[in-house]
Amino acid sequence: EVQLVESGGALVQPGGSLRLSCVGSGFTFGSYAMNWVRQAPGKGLEWVASISGGGESSSIADSVKGRFTISRDNSMNSLSLQMKSLRAEDTAIYYCAKGFGVVTKYNWFNSWGQGTLVTVSS
Amino acid sequence: DIQMTQSPSSLSASVGDRVTITCRASENIINYLNWYQQKPGKAPNLLIYVASTLQSGVPSRFSGSGSGTYFTLTISSLQPEDFATYYCQQSYSGLTFGGGTKVEIK
Repeated sequence: EVQLVESGGALVQPGGSLRLSCVGSGFTFGSYAMNWVRQAPGKGLEWVASISGGGESSSIADSVKGRFTISRDNSMNSLSLQMKSLRAEDTAIYYCAKGFGVVTKYNWFNSWGQGTLVTVSS
Repeated sequence: DIQMTQSPSSLSASVGDRVTITCRASENIINYLNWYQQKPGKAPNLLIYVASTLQSGVPSRFSGSGSGTYFTLTISSLQPEDFATYYCQQSYSGLTFGGGTKVEIK
């Protein structure tokens, strides 16, 4: 059974930094693209970032470009999202999601974690 | 960037009703259109990918159709567990979600 477990969510002040992690199990982690999707309170889903199975290619949403970085460590079955210069509008539940294949293009998300809450507030 | 517009944004329906949700893309996305269901307090769950392929384990009352810029998700006979919010997502160029359709009990 595929399992994705996120961690690292917290209350952080505007301008601060935070690193989210996601550990996967039940599948060959390095064979699948991985993704971050967020959901602000009471709002819809917003794609944040994707990284290919081997980590050689990645893409980031314009809304967080230059502030967020996605990375992975396949030896640890781990996905990360480094967030800096955080703003109030980054407040959301952040979900880790497994892609259907190894590349990020033409992707869909067939397994999701339970999410981790990031709150940006003074 | 490709914009995805879902309609309606909400609807009320009864158990047993046939429900159709529409998703329009701002440009041709071929068939790279996926549908998710999200229940309150839970992560989204994949229902359909590439417009019409049912994800394993999803009941056959769910179906998807369309191509190009116009897509639909149909629930043939609404069940109590289907009351949720539904999102479309395009994956042809980048990744964009629609705004969601909340299906409520009438």
